Amino acid sequence: DAKTTQPTSMDCAEGRAANLPCNHSTISGNEYVYWYRQIHSQGPQYIIHGLKNNETNEMASLIITEDRKSSTLILPHATLRDTAVYYCIVSGKTSYDKVIFGPGTSLSVIP
Amino acid sequence: GAVVSQHPSRVICKSGTSVKIECRSLDFQATTMFWYRQFPKQSLMLMATSNEGSKATYEQGVEKDKFLINHASLTLSTLTVTSAHPEDSSFYICSARDEGDRGTVENTEAFFGQGTRLTVV
Repeated sequence: DAKTTQPTSMDCAEGRAANLPCNHSTISGNEYVYWYRQIHSQGPQYIIHGLKNNETNEMASLIITEDRKSSTLILPHATLRDTAVYYCIVSGKTSYDKVIFGPGTSLSVIP
Repeated sequence: GAVVSQHPSRVICKSGTSVKIECRSLDFQATTMFWYRQFPKQSLMLMATSNEGSKATYEQGVEKDKFLINHASLTLSTLTVTSAHPEDSSFYICSARDEGDRGTVENTEAFFGQGTRLTVV
């Protein structure tokens, strides 16, 4: 079973920041928080990951609480192409660690 | 960046026939690959872990004789849906992580294929 809980769906106005929350209260010390997204009928796409520090890349920012029990993915300026299902996943970091998907959050960016 | 490629992207087959789906890591080695199935409006469900040079390990409830997995090289895993039936129609996706030269690269993201849409008629 997935170790994360996310809201089922969210809306965001185009050009505004999209903040997607995730709870992972049972995360273990060696597990990372990964975010992926899936646009309809495509394979999932990696967005960002982190262990305990906040992270930023060209796509998004990841804010992880100090106790690591929750995190927030931030898309700073949402566009219509960001409409997708966003998955928050906790996983080990090696090549043989499974990536288990929960239901994710369906984000709709509205013009 | 690392790329995982699946083939075919779309296939239609008759009930009772078998279909093979290929998953390739294009520019990295992968001793471990993962196969997922996704039904409409649902999330990805992990089916099995493909292990190069050894047997695949299947998740609970997935029939190993129905979904044959072969991982013959460090860059190729295949999933064969045997005796396909309409209920096997689904979106099949594979993934892998770049292991690097020493066999295990720390702190890597998973790369996913573009998926294979199987329709059994």
